[in-house]
Amino acid sequence: DAEITQSPRHKITETGRQVTLACHQTWNHNNMFWYRQDLGHGLRLIHYSYGVHDTNKGEVSDGYSVSRSNTEDLPLTLESAASSQTSVYFCASRGILNEQFFGPGTRLTVL
Amino acid sequence: GNSVTQMEGPVTLSEEAFLTINCTYTATGYPSLFWYVQYPGEGLQLLLKATKADDKGSNKGFEATYRKETTSFHLEKGSVQVSDSAVYFCALIPPDNFNKFYFGSGTKLNVKP
Repeated sequence: DAEITQSPRHKITETGRQVTLACHQTWNHNNMFWYRQDLGHGLRLIHYSYGVHDTNKGEVSDGYSVSRSNTEDLPLTLESAASSQTSVYFCASRGILNEQFFGPGTRLTVL
Repeated sequence: GNSVTQMEGPVTLSEEAFLTINCTYTATGYPSLFWYVQYPGEGLQLLLKATKADDKGSNKGFEATYRKETTSFHLEKGSVQVSDSAVYFCALIPPDNFNKFYFGSGTKLNVKP
């Protein structure tokens, strides 16, 4: 079955380190998204991509970057991790009926 | 602008009780409407959806009807189970941007045996 996976599922890092979260989907969807989920803020869009070599900023993109070198993957990079980036991160892709399919999430703790 | 408002949680019910989680929206035109469910430690899963007025989405005993006149998409289930305990999110996508999801803040449901 086609699916969307994220790795790692849990990550602890230190302030100032670079961290990359992986997202991989096997549906061949063009549109992919990264969200963070925090208590009191719900889901907030970080970055999104409409296809290979396309990336766009969402509402909370500062401190994050993405790259899209193929259809299947959209890695999210925290250039210099900050404690404010401690969160649960979800990757998603958009299906042909416009619904979004979500990965299982990565819980990131920045100490 | 576009927005989704859900009832505050948590909602606590006994098993076999009737469930309603209210969702209202603000949007221009005719958005598509969704309910997602998030079980502890997992990602969001699509529960049901409706794409035009008066459509009823249904799945796993849950239902929601797209009401244009009241701009609502309330989630209902006739008899909840302990396994339905989760956080439920209402969401919309506007007709002019299929890539922009607007999520509600989520409603936590606790079902007691």
